[in-house]
Amino acid sequence: DGGITQSPKYLFRKEGQNVTLSCEQNLNHDAMYWYRQDPGQGLRLIYYSQIVNDFQKGDIAEGYSVSREKKESFPLTVTSAQKNPTAFYLCASSSLFGHMKNTEAFFGQGTRLTVV
Amino acid sequence: AQKVTQAQTEISVVEKEDVTLDCVYETRDTTYYLFWYKQPPSGELVFLIRRNSFDEQNEISGRYSWNFQKSTSSFNFTITASQVVDSAVYFCALPISYSGAGSYQLTFGKGTKLSVIP
Repeated sequence: DGGITQSPKYLFRKEGQNVTLSCEQNLNHDAMYWYRQDPGQGLRLIYYSQIVNDFQKGDIAEGYSVSREKKESFPLTVTSAQKNPTAFYLCASSSLFGHMKNTEAFFGQGTRLTVV
Repeated sequence: AQKVTQAQTEISVVEKEDVTLDCVYETRDTTYYLFWYKQPPSGELVFLIRRNSFDEQNEISGRYSWNFQKSTSSFNFTITASQVVDSAVYFCALPISYSGAGSYQLTFGKGTKLSVIP
């Protein structure tokens, strides 16, 4: 089955630690995205990547880092610099046909990160 | 500014009632698309519909219908004869260009949580 796999589903982090969230897709999509969801805030874009070895900051990139070494994978690292990392994180991908203007995104099932 | 506003934070309806979810958008693009997504309790966003700015005809898909009006910058979503399985958070989204280089990324409204009571 084609789709996007995020792991783990739940993640607990101690303050001061970096953690990495995994996102893998087998849809052969060029573009991948990370969103953060907080209660009542909707989804906010953290980073996006349109091609391997290239990525761009979204609205709330501070305290996060990404890499895109393979087309299928777009891991997100939440660093200790992120002041309030507890949130639900969603990964998405899309083909670049129409440069996303008219192309729907496909989402993973999310990772819920909690700082303890 | 380019943004999406969903003024209704939460709505509760009794099963079989009709319900309309509002979406108002702002964009400086002359051509644009709008999207609706559904987020069930499992967390994954599910694509519902895409509409382009050239087409203002209403769209109907089963119990779902969408009303797009450029004059009021609105793209409202109606569920007819609601069912418990419709309970979810619904997001309206607009692609905007962050880099200005012809690529677009989705910006979302804050979502409307719909609860359908049996």
